[in-house]
Amino acid sequence: AQSVTQPDIHITVSEGASLELRCNYSYGATPYLFWYVQSPGQGLQLLLKYFSGDTLVQGIKGFEAEFKRSQSSFNLRKPSVHWSDAAEYFCAVGARGFQKLVFGTGTRLLVSP
Amino acid sequence: DAGVIQSPRHEVTEMGQEVTLRCKPISGHDYLFWYRQTMMRGLELLIYFNNNVPIDDSGMPEDRFSAKMPNASFSTLKIQPSEPRDSAVYFCASSLRQGGSYEQYFGPGTRLTVT
Repeated sequence: AQSVTQPDIHITVSEGASLELRCNYSYGATPYLFWYVQSPGQGLQLLLKYFSGDTLVQGIKGFEAEFKRSQSSFNLRKPSVHWSDAAEYFCAVGARGFQKLVFGTGTRLLVSP
Repeated sequence: DAGVIQSPRHEVTEMGQEVTLRCKPISGHDYLFWYRQTMMRGLELLIYFNNNVPIDDSGMPEDRFSAKMPNASFSTLKIQPSEPRDSAVYFCASSLRQGGSYEQYFGPGTRLTVT
């Protein structure tokens, strides 16, 4: 069975600084990996996804993530954080042939002035 | 497309009352998911449907919860009787398997408060 770990519950970053949110997954075969963002009072919105191919994927809002099979990781990055990026971020893992996703517990990003 | 539509957006009810949450998935999507989000337990998958048929309801907490999907454009999640511990945000999401997308599109959620 798949599982996802997001080790950081909260992260505070200064506006303009770089960001990296960690995600580790457990799955025996090649996973399908996703990052979603949830703004306060909103549903989850897809930032980016990885199925195969280039291990560095680009998403919306200037985010990117890198799949590292050897480390079972799919960390989310952004070179320069904006105040509007303050939200909760969820990593999720799926599997080929299955529509069900397993979500991590989320990381809440706070952006300081 | 209007996206996934959920109603009501907020529901406040008293313990013991029946609560019905509604969801309209994106037109053409063949999968529908119900999630519950709380501070303590995070985002939990309750049940999901494929072509209106329940596939996995192992996440439904107990018999007080039931979900139906009478047609491709409508689903309900019912709690009867409701309890204070059911207070949470309930999300509906839909996806389309064709083309191997796997991406789930979430609705805005229903915030349920049981007093």
